[in-house]
Amino acid sequence: GAGVSQTPSNKVTEKGKYVELRCDPISGHTALYWYRQSLGQGPEFLIYFQGTGAADDSGLPNDRFFAVRPEGSVSTLKIQRTERGDSAVYLCASSSLNANTRELFFGEGSRLTVL
Amino acid sequence: KQEVTQIPAALSVPEGENLVLNCSFTDSAIYNLQWFRQDPGKGLTSLLLIQSSQREQTSGRLNASLDKSSGRSTLYIAASQPGDSATYLCAVRHVNQFYFGTGTSLTVIP
Repeated sequence: GAGVSQTPSNKVTEKGKYVELRCDPISGHTALYWYRQSLGQGPEFLIYFQGTGAADDSGLPNDRFFAVRPEGSVSTLKIQRTERGDSAVYLCASSSLNANTRELFFGEGSRLTVL
Repeated sequence: KQEVTQIPAALSVPEGENLVLNCSFTDSAIYNLQWFRQDPGKGLTSLLLIQSSQREQTSGRLNASLDKSSGRSTLYIAASQPGDSATYLCAVRHVNQFYFGTGTSLTVIP
C-alpha cells in the first residue's frame, strides 16, 4: 500500500477482554515495529519483526502481549486480559532493510481505551 | 542504554520567526537520526533523516544538523507558520532499535 495502515483507529474495551490490533506495512518493507505512546511521551518500543520472525521482543511489558507476522507482511498485536494501564496509542512503523537509510514510516495509530 | 532528550518541552513563537529545536543523545554510536512531526491524535510523519556520516539535511524551510561526537542535533524552522504547530520528535537509530525523545510541542501564533 501507499502508507502504513492500522486498524482499528479506535478501540474501547472493558477490563479483562482480549484485543487485536492490526498493522499493514508499506509494500516491500521487511522491518516492522510496534510502539506504544502515552500522552505527552515519546513512542515506547514493544517489538521488532524482520520478515516473519520477531527479532527483538524485549519491549513487550509482560506475557499478556503477543505479536505475530505470519507471512512477513501484515502484523497483529494481541493483548490478553486487558488492564486499564494498557490504555495508550499503539503505533506501527515499517522500514526497508537498506542499512544506509532505514527511514521509519508510521501509521496513524490505534487508540486503545480500557474501561 | 541510549537516552534521548528534547529541549524545550514546549515553545510558543509568533508567526514568521525562525526557531531551533534541540535533541541530545547520550550514546554517539548511532546509525542515523530522524526528525518527525506529530499532529494531535495522529501518527508520526517523517520530516528529515540524517545519516551518521552526514552533518545536515534540508527540506524546504527545514534544516536539520547532526553533531555525532557531541550527541546533538538541531531542527531549524525558517519563517514559521501557524501550520507548523505540532509536536516535533527526534529518534536515533542504533542497529535495529530506534530511541525517541519526548518531543517539543510547538505553537506558532498568527
